[in-house]
Amino acid sequence: DADVTQTPRNRITKTGKRIMLECSQTKGHDRMYWYRQDPGLGLRLIYYSFDVKDINKGEISDGYSVSRQAQAKFSLSLESAIPNQTALYFCATSETRDQETQYFGPGTRLLVL
Amino acid sequence: AQSVTQPDIHITVSEGASLELRCNYSYGATPYLFWYVQSPGQGLQLLLKYFSGDTLVQGIKGFEAEFKRSQSSFNLRKPSVHWSDAAEYFCAVGVFTGGGNKLTFGTGTQLKVEL
Repeated sequence: DADVTQTPRNRITKTGKRIMLECSQTKGHDRMYWYRQDPGLGLRLIYYSFDVKDINKGEISDGYSVSRQAQAKFSLSLESAIPNQTALYFCATSETRDQETQYFGPGTRLLVL
Repeated sequence: AQSVTQPDIHITVSEGASLELRCNYSYGATPYLFWYVQSPGQGLQLLLKYFSGDTLVQGIKGFEAEFKRSQSSFNLRKPSVHWSDAAEYFCAVGVFTGGGNKLTFGTGTQLKVEL
């Protein structure tokens, strides 16, 4: 089984809808991250969490929110989806004693119509 | 703020030829440096990382990278490319902020391998 899983893997939604992307990990890591990937822009950090009680904004957090339900679960919500949020979304994890190395999930491809 | 530049958007090499992907970073202190690979439809896989010590680091799949502080570079190399190496490659710099680490990625280099 994969260490970092993301659900759904693909999602099509309409403008204005609220959607949630979920990330789960079995690596036992305390740190979790959400990125979005756009062609030609690489990966950009949306939110990150260093433990269950810690949530931090990344460079592009507007229009997004997150919830760290447990050490192993980190969800990303789009409160009111818009077309320019169409992207590939990645969850990643790392652990404090090796905090520089992040491990990525397979990604969620989101299309907002 | 830190930044990463990958000047080559696309590179095409013949199978068996050598490969070098360029990465330049901007950061005020000694950075933590990474190379990740993304195969089509897949997530990112760590190829190698540099934290300190020997400036030539070995990674998986026969890749290596050399940290050159004077040039602010961390170029990725492979002596002989295989068709399965076709993928997108990302360089990243890790920076400590507020007790934790964040990665800043370059925009990626798409590698095509001709048979």
